[in-house]
Parts: sequence; C-alpha cells; structure tokens
Amino acid sequence: RKEVEQDPGPFNVPEGATVAFNCTYSNSASQSFFWYRQDCRKEPKLLMSVYSSGNEDGRFTAQLNRASQYISLLIRDSKLSDSATYLCVVNRGGTASKLTFGTGTRLQVTL
Amino acid sequence: NAGVMQNPRHLVRRRGQEARLRCSPMKGHSHVYWYRQLPEEGLKFMVYLQKENIIDESGMPKERFSAEFPKEGPSILRIQQVVRGDSAAYFCASSPRTGNNEKLFFGSGTQLSVL
Repeated sequence: RKEVEQDPGPFNVPEGATVAFNCTYSNSASQSFFWYRQDCRKEPKLLMSVYSSGNEDGRFTAQLNRASQYISLLIRDSKLSDSATYLCVVNRGGTASKLTFGTGTRLQVTL
Repeated sequence: NAGVMQNPRHLVRRRGQEARLRCSPMKGHSHVYWYRQLPEEGLKFMVYLQKENIIDESGMPKERFSAEFPKEGPSILRIQQVVRGDSAAYFCASSPRTGNNEKLFFGSGTQLSVL
C-alpha cells in the first residue's frame, strides 16, 4: 500500500464548478500535511498547509481527519487557471526530509 | 529575490556518461533537498543536505549516485554511468530551517534524458 494515495483523475469540470479531492495516508504518526500544486513539467508549489481544525484560503478549503487518516481539498468557483495536478503531501515527522508526496490528482477546468 | 536556481534545465546524456545537476538554494536557506520524479509518478525523496553535511540519504540509490553541498557554491547531484532508467525530472528544494511544518521551495528542475 502506498504511503499517500490519491485518485489520479483527471477531474474534468466546467468553470465555476466546485470540486473536491481526497487523499489517504497510511502512517498514523504523520505530523503535518500540505497540498501542493504542480503544473505540467514544472516545479511543485505550496498551495496550503492543512490543519486539524480545517482551514480556508480564498476559494480553497482543506480538511484533515486524523481518525480516518484522510485529507481533502475543496475548490470553489473553479477557474481555468486552476487546471493543474494537486499533490497531497504528508510529513512523517522530524524534518522536512520526511515529506512524502502523493502521485497527484489532475484537474482540468474547461469553458 | 531569486528563488531556488537549478541548472541545467535540460540535460541529455548517453548511457555510461556522467550527469551533474546543480542547485543554488534561496538566499538565507541552508537546507537543501533533492527529489526525483519519474514519468507519471510522485516525487521521491533522495537526499537532504546542509552545508558540508549529508543529513539524510535514505532515498539515494546505493550505487552511482552522490550528492554534496560544499561550503561555497551550489549543491551538486552527481550520477555516474547513467542508464535509461535515470531519465527523470530532478527537483531541488530548500528551506531556511527544518521541522515538521517547514515548507519547501522548489527549483524549476532539471529534466535528464538518457539516450
């Protein structure tokens, strides 16, 4: 079983739609969680950290469920520019070298 | 305010040659990480370095791969006697500190193609 699992997609949604991605992780000792965004053939960029209480940044909302070892990302009012691959990232603890990346969920927003 | 700089952007090597990938961290960052991304796969951690020290190399293949981060100059990831399976995107990241919630800033990567 992979340490971090994501549905690869692609998710094809029209502009303005709301879309949600899920991610599960296997190591219950994981300590911190992030969503990164990666555009085709480019470097990953931090989208947001994920906190137990849930957090929101504009149109993006992240949730963490430690009991179920589950992380989600909700994107409201999708824009064409949201088209990218969204990487679920988990830190097994200690240092940033323990970051484990999921393979990503691909989002395509269309007109 | 330059970000993480990697060069070359693209590198083509024939089987058996050596590949040298360079990474200059963001100003003020002393922690460097190398990741590899194979086609259609997630990023895999390779090695974590601080100046003149390898802190964690648990993700490095046992042979042909080495990394350094000298006191002066960029971090170097070196692959000797490259094989086709080494073809991948190699990303470097840096951070000012280390810790559970530390965020990584990535360079634009080096795409290595082995013919």
